[in-house]
Amino acid sequence: QSVLTQPPSASGAPGQTVTISCSGSNSNIGVNTVNWYRQLPGTAPKLLIYLNDQRPSGVPDRFSGSKSGTSASLAISGLQSEDEADYYCAAWDDSLNGYVVFGGGTKLTVL
Amino acid sequence: QVQLQESGPGLVKPSQTLSLTCTVSGDSVTSGGYYWGWIRQHPGKGLEWIGYTYYRGNTYYNPSLKSRATIFVDTSKNQFSLRLTSVTAADTAVYYCTRDVIFDSWGPGTLVTVSS
Repeated sequence: QSVLTQPPSASGAPGQTVTISCSGSNSNIGVNTVNWYRQLPGTAPKLLIYLNDQRPSGVPDRFSGSKSGTSASLAISGLQSEDEADYYCAAWDDSLNGYVVFGGGTKLTVL
Repeated sequence: QVQLQESGPGLVKPSQTLSLTCTVSGDSVTSGGYYWGWIRQHPGKGLEWIGYTYYRGNTYYNPSLKSRATIFVDTSKNQFSLRLTSVTAADTAVYYCTRDVIFDSWGPGTLVTVSS
């Protein structure tokens, strides 16, 4: 059972926009920033979004992040076949002296 | 551009200590104010944060592992390491080393199997 809750799966057709949610609480997302990672099959995860809505250099602007209250979202527009991957959210949790918590991951399928 | 590479035994016996090292290239473990850490992924499962450390000694651990995990930096070798004691089959996972508290760089990962 992950501290942050993500839908296990999401899907969309090429060119469409897909949104993945990440739900937390007042001890994590409610008071700290959220990061998003993409993991292609058989590879290490890669940072996609940090500080809620910032894109690292090289990440296309098709990827955007947002946060409201105790929830965050990752939106992927102009869906491409290579976007098929697992997506994870993460945040610092202030409970138990503090630690990093992840969502359980969302498997995105491009139809 | 920074590169991270994990190394260590792929097989560890139950009750023994798992030891992994991450070699950093393209950056220094003493520069940039970065924390250096470890994340693992059980087979077919999600990501689990183990902990991270700053080279001057501030270290944070996942409460679920804190009593067994130790992360430390070797500045002379530009490496950092993970030690996990008293391992069981539940510690079988792919272990990734990471840079910074936002995990902006990852090693390719190394599979560690705990089995007799």
